[in-house]
Amino acid sequence: AQSVSQHNHHVILSEAASLELGCNYSYGGTVNLFWYVQYPGQHLQLLLKYFSGDPLVKGIKGFEAEFIKSKFSFNLRKPSVQWSDTAEYFCAVIRREGRRALTFGSGTRLQVQP
Amino acid sequence: DTGVSQDPRHKITKRGQNVTFRCDPISEHNRLYWYRQTLGQGPEFLTYFQNEAQLEKSRLLSDRFSAERPKGSFSTLEIQRTEQGDSAMYLCASSPPGAGEIQETQYFGPGTRLLVL
Repeated sequence: AQSVSQHNHHVILSEAASLELGCNYSYGGTVNLFWYVQYPGQHLQLLLKYFSGDPLVKGIKGFEAEFIKSKFSFNLRKPSVQWSDTAEYFCAVIRREGRRALTFGSGTRLQVQP
Repeated sequence: DTGVSQDPRHKITKRGQNVTFRCDPISEHNRLYWYRQTLGQGPEFLTYFQNEAQLEKSRLLSDRFSAERPKGSFSTLEIQRTEQGDSAMYLCASSPPGAGEIQETQYFGPGTRLLVL
């Protein structure tokens, strides 16, 4: 079975600081990768996804993520965070074949201070 | 609002009672998923439907849990004889028909928060 690790459980940044949230997965086969965001009081929203092609993918609100296959990683980045980025961020993977279930990491709570 | 909707948004029940949650997917989405999320954790997969067929069930889905999608549109998740450990957020997601990236992208509803006293 696959698993997802998000090493940073709680990150506190000041506005304009750069952000990088780690995500590593364990699975021997091919996967598709996602980052979801949950703003306070709102439901999970898709931030970006990787299926194939350029391993550097761009999402909404200036976020990007890089898939490094050799490291089984899919880290999320943003060059300059804003107070409105305060939210919980979840990395998720799904197998290319077989089970259709998303496997989520435990999430990273980002707090951006003005 | 054309997103995934869930009802009720909150449910408080006493241990031993039965509860039922409803999920309405995005129109024309043929795949529907149920997840459970507890505090401090990411969502955990429970079950998955393609149209009316329940194709996958997690080991988390004990015999007290049952899910249906009788007409391939909305779905219900019932928990019988609730236990305090069932307290969680129950999330529903849907994805559209198609191939590859299209059908694999899941869109989530707001969830039903269950508290078992």
